[in-house]
Amino acid sequence: SQTIHQWPATLVQPVGSPLSLECTVEGTSNPNLYWYRQAAGRGLQLLFYSVGIGQISSEVPQNLSASRPQDRQFILSSKKLLLSDSGFYLCAWQRQGGLYEQYFGPGTRLTVT
Amino acid sequence: QQQVKQSPQSLIVQKGGISIINCAYENTAFDYFPWYQQFPGKGPALLIAIRPDVSEKKEGRFTISFNKSAKQFSLHIMDSQPGDSATYFCAASMRGNAGKSTFGDGTTLTVKP
Repeated sequence: SQTIHQWPATLVQPVGSPLSLECTVEGTSNPNLYWYRQAAGRGLQLLFYSVGIGQISSEVPQNLSASRPQDRQFILSSKKLLLSDSGFYLCAWQRQGGLYEQYFGPGTRLTVT
Repeated sequence: QQQVKQSPQSLIVQKGGISIINCAYENTAFDYFPWYQQFPGKGPALLIAIRPDVSEKKEGRFTISFNKSAKQFSLHIMDSQPGDSATYFCAASMRGNAGKSTFGDGTTLTVKP
């Protein structure tokens, strides 16, 4: 069976500090990978997606970047965090050529102080 | 912008009642319509999904009704239980779009005992 991991689960970082959130998927190969941000009580905002190693597409210009160094690893980064980067970050995977359902990780709660 | 409009934003239902959440879409190229359930502090999980070639899909107490001509679909939760209290997101996706889904803004359902 497939499993998706995210870490850390929670993170409190000062403004201006760097960020690295990691997501890994087990039990599948060549998945589509996605990073979402969810503000409190709000919907899902797609930040980045990747259809293969080294292939990153950005949906929203912002202070964040993403990388996919390995097939089942997706990393969200920032060089200098802003207060507005606070939120609940979700990673999701999807089988390429599948029925388009996405499987979400447990999320990372980021608070920028 | 491809949009999926979801209503209501919040819903309170008595235990045993029927919960109904509605979504409307604009792009007729969408060909997959999933619903996700999210509990506080957790990632969304796929609940049920439908393709536009059928008008209804039922899984246990959860039913999707789909009206292709009206470009609308809805989630019905029969015999609603307090454990169903969560946020529900509708979504829509299409082929050739890197598997990306367009999400509604979510409906927070509270089922009172």
